[in-house]
Amino acid sequence: NAGVMQNPRHLVRRRGQEARLRCSPMKGHSHVYWYRQLPEEGLKFMVYLQKENIIDESGMPKERFSAEFPKEGPSILRIQQVVRGDSAAYFCASSPLVGRTEAFFGQGTRLTVV
Amino acid sequence: GENVEQHPSTLSVQEGDSAVIKCTYSDSASNYFPWYKQELGKGPQLIIDIRSNVGEKKDQRIAVTLNKTAKHFSLHITETQPEDSAVYFCAASMGNDYKLSFGAGTTVTVRA
Repeated sequence: NAGVMQNPRHLVRRRGQEARLRCSPMKGHSHVYWYRQLPEEGLKFMVYLQKENIIDESGMPKERFSAEFPKEGPSILRIQQVVRGDSAAYFCASSPLVGRTEAFFGQGTRLTVV
Repeated sequence: GENVEQHPSTLSVQEGDSAVIKCTYSDSASNYFPWYKQELGKGPQLIIDIRSNVGEKKDQRIAVTLNKTAKHFSLHITETQPEDSAVYFCAASMGNDYKLSFGAGTTVTVRA
């Protein structure tokens, strides 16, 4: 059973471009969470999704950021018109249930905006 | 929202010695406290967790203690080994578990 797969591992974008980060949860997991880690800081919750539904996006910036988890395919975190402050590591986690079960993290996507 | 503070930010110990990392949280409603280990270039990995109905939990060389009254919890690693070198994060959540508030991390270096 493969773990949580994130791609790409490293992504470089110029200011103003779009960044698309992908996350394939572990097999059998229907709950996906995205976290952002700025340099020298802990992870910050962004969004929680189930298949085709956004459950909690309270940690998402109001503009330029969006997330989806379609019925088929990976979860996508999309950042439009990237700025240098978006440079960070973005981690995805998945779990089979919410509450009282471990969420497994992927290896992350390191986004660099130049 | 919840605010988690973690100390120290860096910790260097001699192999075989113990390492202790401390965290405090602000919201008394928090009731789930996991600890994660993050190795270079990898995602965080859960190493131990504790819920607010328990004061202490141990798993081989790793133990976690929780003081709900003081709103702090600690990670103890005994008989440290070089492979324990990593960044350790504490976290807290209020029952839903998925919305974790993380500390800033402690970089632990075990000297051989």
